[in-house]
Amino acid sequence: GAVVSQHPSRVICKSGTSVKIECRSLDFQATTMFWYRQFPKQSLMLMATSNEGSKATYEQGVEKDKFLINHASLTLSTLTVTSAHPEDSSFYICSASSTGVGVGHSPLHFGNGTRLTVT
Amino acid sequence: AQSVAQPEDQVNVAEGNPLTVKCTYSVSGNPYLFWYVQYPNRGLQFLLKYITGDNLVKGSYGFEAEFNKSQTSFHLKKPSALVSDSALYFCAVRATFSGNTPLVFGKGTRLSVIA
Repeated sequence: GAVVSQHPSRVICKSGTSVKIECRSLDFQATTMFWYRQFPKQSLMLMATSNEGSKATYEQGVEKDKFLINHASLTLSTLTVTSAHPEDSSFYICSASSTGVGVGHSPLHFGNGTRLTVT
Repeated sequence: AQSVAQPEDQVNVAEGNPLTVKCTYSVSGNPYLFWYVQYPNRGLQFLLKYITGDNLVKGSYGFEAEFNKSQTSFHLKKPSALVSDSALYFCAVRATFSGNTPLVFGKGTRLSVIA
């Protein structure tokens, strides 16, 4: 079945540094990848939609300069948290969708998430 | 805009008893409905989906869900709960037929199955 690999699973960084999270689709081409953020005991909040070869679309309230998204190929999207602060500590999850129209009925495939802790 | 409501933060059930996790949705047009399960510090695992056809959908691990258009509901059910079913469950909706639209999630329901 379709697999999405997300790396790293956990990262601890110091305040002011940047952290890059990778999301790879291992056995299918992902035209679109979605980045979600999950706060403790809360639902998944969509941060941005990433389309291969174009700029990401950010949800309202998400700082595009802080959360840099790059989707350079059909199998890789990256999220870079720049100048991280403790309030950026969270669980970040990526998901990927196959190419083409008519796949709206297909379930999104999710990575295992990245637990970011900023000290 | 589409939305999903999961009215229960927590559901407790004894092992062996049937379980229900509730979900209602709001969407213009035909809904594409999904259930996912999340274990601690992990991503989401797909359980089942409703696209069209039979209102009773069967999925992974013995779970099933019933689509009720008149009540705009998509409750998750299992005839006999296992302790290993304890996890966080999310209902989600996707309003369009295109693959480049995200899922909109409910807030999640924590299921606790007690031995």
